[in-house]
Amino acid sequence: NAGVTQTPKFQVLKTGQSMTLQCAQDMNHEYMSWYRQDPGMGLRLIHYSVGAGITDQGEVPNGYNVSRSTTEDFPLRLLSAAPSQTSVYFCASSQWYLAGPRDGELFFGEGSRLTVL
Amino acid sequence: AQSVTQLGSHVSVSEGALVLLRCNYSSSVPPYLFWYVQYPNQGLQLLLKYTTGATLVKGINGFEAEFKKSETSFHLTKPSAHMSDAAEYFCAVSPSNTGKLIFGQGTTLQVKP
Repeated sequence: NAGVTQTPKFQVLKTGQSMTLQCAQDMNHEYMSWYRQDPGMGLRLIHYSVGAGITDQGEVPNGYNVSRSTTEDFPLRLLSAAPSQTSVYFCASSQWYLAGPRDGELFFGEGSRLTVL
Repeated sequence: AQSVTQLGSHVSVSEGALVLLRCNYSSSVPPYLFWYVQYPNQGLQLLLKYTTGATLVKGINGFEAEFKKSETSFHLTKPSAHMSDAAEYFCAVSPSNTGKLIFGQGTTLQVKP
């Protein structure tokens, strides 16, 4: 059982370049989200999705774009990378439902470490 | 809006001593509360959660937490620390029925032999 898979694990970009962080889950979870982790700041929510075709902004959405065409995949796009986007990115999924939570546990990927020069 | 404050970015205890990691939350609606643990170079794992019902919640690895509405707190405890407990711990809050988790800044637990 693979759970949540993120690729790539490491990436170095130059300022202004664009890239996509991939996230896939095989647990049929409706809810998926992206967080960034920075020292002393915990995890901050970038974007999330409660189902295919539905996305919404989190705490720090600027400079990032998402889409959810399937239940399994939730890619995160950096449109024009900036040094401030150097961080560790985590994708997470869970079995939340709008009518009430079935399960509150977020399942995390192993993270993608991004450096923007 | 919801927020979480973890008191103390670093906590150091001796092996066998009590572990107490503090978490206070702010929520305008009944909150769901969580503790997650992160080992080096890994993602986060759920330790325990409070949604409704009993306010004392038991989790994995001997950890437990008590939801105190009057104090807006959800402190994490373990009676006796083990070397393997050394990790970073995150408290998180979610307004009920949304799925969005807001995390605190994290507390690094060091366990000394």
